[in-house]
Amino acid sequence: GDSVTQMEGPVTLSEEAFLTINCTYTATGYPSLFWYVQYPGEGLQLLLKATKADDKGSNKGFEATYRKETTSFHLEKGSVQVSDSAVYFCALSDNQGGKLIFGQGTELSVKP
Amino acid sequence: KAGVTQTPRYLIKTRGQQVTLSCSPISGHRSVSWYQQTPGQGLQFLFEYFSETQRNKGNFPGRFSGRQFSNSRSEMNVSTLELGDSALYLCASSLVGGTEKLFFGSGTQLSVL
Repeated sequence: GDSVTQMEGPVTLSEEAFLTINCTYTATGYPSLFWYVQYPGEGLQLLLKATKADDKGSNKGFEATYRKETTSFHLEKGSVQVSDSAVYFCALSDNQGGKLIFGQGTELSVKP
Repeated sequence: KAGVTQTPRYLIKTRGQQVTLSCSPISGHRSVSWYQQTPGQGLQFLFEYFSETQRNKGNFPGRFSGRQFSNSRSEMNVSTLELGDSALYLCASSLVGGTEKLFFGSGTQLSVL
């Protein structure tokens, strides 16, 4: 079945460092891809999404490009801030109803 | 506009009991989805409701059930609780269903002792 694999955390970076969180997926069709962020004690917030190959999703300085040839959707940010500390989830939808398949999550800790 | 509201925030039950969790979607949203989040299994889809009808269901035993009311509020019920049901239960709402724009609540943390 469809699945999502993320790099394991925790990832610890200094403020203003470059961030990459790897995400690869397995899907039989043409899924939509998402990144969600979860701050401590809160639910998930949609960070960005891409619905077809070569689409680039972006929001708040974060970017991810839907790469069908490598089945990847890596999250990047050029300069992280302490406020970016959170758990990041990569997810896919097979567009067959309200079902998201999530990766295990990657915890990011940014130190001043 | 108020966000997705889940009640209660925390719940402690014992094995064998039953529990009901509540979710009030964003005003005007007609779809509600439920997810279970555990450290071991991560986030897993439970079910989706749209206009009081269950449209999609995840791979959970029949002890997990839900419903949606005419005002779009949703409840999730777990009967005969097991230790493994301890989890954060997240509800998400959307305007017309699907996954394109889900808004999540803060969740109900269920502990089964």
